[in-house]
Amino acid sequence: DTEVTQTPKHLVMGMTNKKSLKCEQHMGHRAMYWYKQKAKKPPELMFVYSYEKLSINESVPSRFSPECPNSSLLNLHLHALQPEDSALYLCASSLNQNIQYFGAGTRLSVL
Amino acid sequence: QKEVEQNSGPLSVPEGAIASLNCTYSDRGSQSFFWYRQYSGKSPELIMFIYSNGDKEDGRFTAQLNKASQYVSLLIRDSQPSDSATYLCAVLVTGGGADGLTFGKGTHLIIQP
Repeated sequence: DTEVTQTPKHLVMGMTNKKSLKCEQHMGHRAMYWYKQKAKKPPELMFVYSYEKLSINESVPSRFSPECPNSSLLNLHLHALQPEDSALYLCASSLNQNIQYFGAGTRLSVL
Repeated sequence: QKEVEQNSGPLSVPEGAIASLNCTYSDRGSQSFFWYRQYSGKSPELIMFIYSNGDKEDGRFTAQLNKASQYVSLLIRDSQPSDSATYLCAVLVTGGGADGLTFGKGTHLIIQP
């Protein structure tokens, strides 16, 4: 089983809204990741959590705030986003910090 | 600077033929190499991974790695229309801790019935 579950599948938000994206895995993986993918572009790394600690932050604006409450959950809190932040947000997890399995993604539209 | 280069295509291959997808990478410290398939509007799906020089086969797929030339390839035998997708080459440089994947821009593959 390599299932990574992301909710919601779709999200539309205004620039003044606060929302959260959620990611869950029950495979015992100890590393979890957030990627952002714009249309016709490859995924770009945003954050990496390893053993529930933030280990990589790829200079992402502070309007994106990650959180890892426990080893199975990863959240991405969104606040005061811009229309250019509209994208597919992908969560991934890995057991040995190597092979990464992706969730189905959350398609975000910022109006 | 980690760079992964792929020909964006589209690469058009007749059904039943072999599709050959290529990728080069810049960081000689790269240790793990992955091919993901992505259908339009969907998330990337892992197809193959390879760590050592040489070939690795899984069903209709063969991954090839040449670290000296910094080159990775994916061969798809007996191509099917359902193989039509964007194929993303990804590289991992493990520095002792968790690391993110660096992706190429992807090759758009079209299998012609």
